[in-house]
Amino acid sequence: DVQMTQSPSYLAASPGESVSISCKASKSINTYLAWYQEKPGKTNKLLIYSGSTLQSGTPSRFSGSGSGTDFTLTIRSLEPEDFAVYYCQQHNEYPLTFGSGTKLEIK
Amino acid sequence: EVQLVESGGGLVQPGRSLKLSCAASGFTFSDYNMAWVRQAPKKGLEWVATISYDGSSTYYRDSVKGRFTISRDNAKSTLYLQMDSLRSEDTATYYCATDATGVMDAWGQGASVTVSS
Repeated sequence: DVQMTQSPSYLAASPGESVSISCKASKSINTYLAWYQEKPGKTNKLLIYSGSTLQSGTPSRFSGSGSGTDFTLTIRSLEPEDFAVYYCQQHNEYPLTFGSGTKLEIK
Repeated sequence: EVQLVESGGGLVQPGRSLKLSCAASGFTFSDYNMAWVRQAPKKGLEWVATISYDGSSTYYRDSVKGRFTISRDNAKSTLYLQMDSLRSEDTATYYCATDATGVMDAWGQGASVTVSS
């Protein structure tokens, strides 16, 4: 199985700042990496897939980069609604595997 | 609007069975592969199983193979997860999701399953 290592597990930032979350795969997954947002009381939301393709409706302040084993989610100019938990997930092969999550909190 | 609504969760004793359902609406259910993903309390997300759009192919994580069965009824736009021989480590919230070549682009709100004596 492909192990996904996500860091940091916790991140505190202020609205307007930019943050980055890292996700590393235990072997090459090409560009088959997705990012999800989890918020209380809402269904999980797909933000980005195939490494850098924004899902319809994802604001342009979100961006994804990387290939092979190293990936990054960047959120520029944080909005209040961005404070949530973020997960990466490889979609290169089954079993699909997720990172352990990053909780982004307001500083 | 895409809607996925899970039902059938609850408290069950170890070794017993439970069947989850997921009612889909707002899209052509029979065109989509579907998945179950779970989240144990205070833990991250864990893929459980996927079924192809026509039910001809199924995929499972190793820890549930032989115990869980994913199925679907396209006429009813409903996804199922039959869970047998349940263990305490199966305690989680179970989400159904559309599975577009491994990308979960729509999720339900989840059904809580607690396995305890």
